[in-house]
Formats: sequence, C-alpha cells, structure tokens
Amino acid sequence: DTAVSQTPKYLVTQMGNDKSIKCEQNLGHDTMYWYKQDSKKFLKIMFSYNNKELIINETVPNRFSPKSPDKAHLNLHINSLELGDSAVYFCASSQDMASGGEQFFGPGTRLTVL
Amino acid sequence: QKEVEQNSGPLSVPEGAIASLNCTYSDRGSQSFFWYRQYSGKSPELIMFIYSNGDKEDGRFTAQLNKASQYVSLLIRDSQPSDSATYLCAVSIHKLSFGAGTTVTVRA
Repeated sequence: DTAVSQTPKYLVTQMGNDKSIKCEQNLGHDTMYWYKQDSKKFLKIMFSYNNKELIINETVPNRFSPKSPDKAHLNLHINSLELGDSAVYFCASSQDMASGGEQFFGPGTRLTVL
Repeated sequence: QKEVEQNSGPLSVPEGAIASLNCTYSDRGSQSFFWYRQYSGKSPELIMFIYSNGDKEDGRFTAQLNKASQYVSLLIRDSQPSDSATYLCAVSIHKLSFGAGTTVTVRA
C-alpha cells in the first residue's frame, strides 16, 4: 500500500524532448508538492498545490508545468528538456497546508537528460 | 544568506556514540522545525519535528530548538550503523525550506 507513488522511477531522454512525471497519493491529503534534488543533494521546492489549487510557484522555468486533475494527483510536465534538468524529482504530500512541514515523499524520479 | 544552513559533513561517529547535527536558519518568523532522514538513493522521511524552544525526545533522537539563536539541532544517542544517512534540517514559514543536509556515517 504505497502512500505516495511516482511514475516513472527512471527517465532517460534527449535534450529538447518533452516528458511527464506522474504522482498519486492515497493518504487523503489535501496538499501536494514537487521538489527537485540536484546532484549536491539540495532539495528545493518547485510547486505546491492545495485541493487542486496552485499555492506555491517558485522561480521555475516556464518549461515546467504542473497539473492537478484532483487532490490525489499532481503531475509534472517538462517541455524542451535541458541538461540542467537532470536531477531527482520528488513528489510529496501533507495533510493540509497547516501541516506543511510533515510531508510524505514519493520514491523519486531520476531524470537524466543526454 | 541561505535560508537554512547545515554542516555538510561528513560526520563519522563510532557505534554507540552520540552524533550531533546542527542547523541555523535566517528567518526569525519561522515557526516549525523538522528533521528528515534520507538514506542513499531513497526519499526523505520525517523523523522529528519541534515547535517550541527546548528539547524534544523521541527514542534515541533528541531535537533542540533555540529560537533566539535561530538554531536547531538533532542528537542521535547510541548511534547504530542503520543511522548512517543524510539528515536534512527543514524550516517552515510559508513553505518548507531544506538545508543541504549532513551526511552521517556510523562506524561499526
């Protein structure tokens, strides 16, 4: 019974391609997040959604577009992939925004752009 | 100035010893403080949170918070090889901001 799941686990693609990562949580949480962890292991928030509404949109290139069809799902689409996009992308969820520090993370998607 | 700063380590301690991890933060308005553990190749998992000044103990873990000094720490007592991981300090005000993490290695 995976709490937060992501697909795919690994993604290898060429520069310029468009790719998507999917995330689902079965915890009944209201708030979901996307994080990027670079090669130096620094974990940085990209987006946050609460009940399908965009709450946090950090300084992220427009090539990144999140989409939340319902509060259990938060997907990330990336256009025109660049070498610098190579990283591990984590999806996470929390009960609500007030509990935003207590987050449950998915297993991560390792994106490699060649 | 980074929002959350940690000693990057690596911190190497013998089995059974106390591992001490430190974290400072820049925003005085921060209200909530968290420690996440991340094993190599895995996702972060929450191990401790603290909201008030002082100490909070949970098993072998103790979190310490000093808001006046903008300082939060994590002590791991009786360190075990299974504690070898990267420990991420996180601070919440409007979003969760993470430090770069301290890598701990417990030598058997």
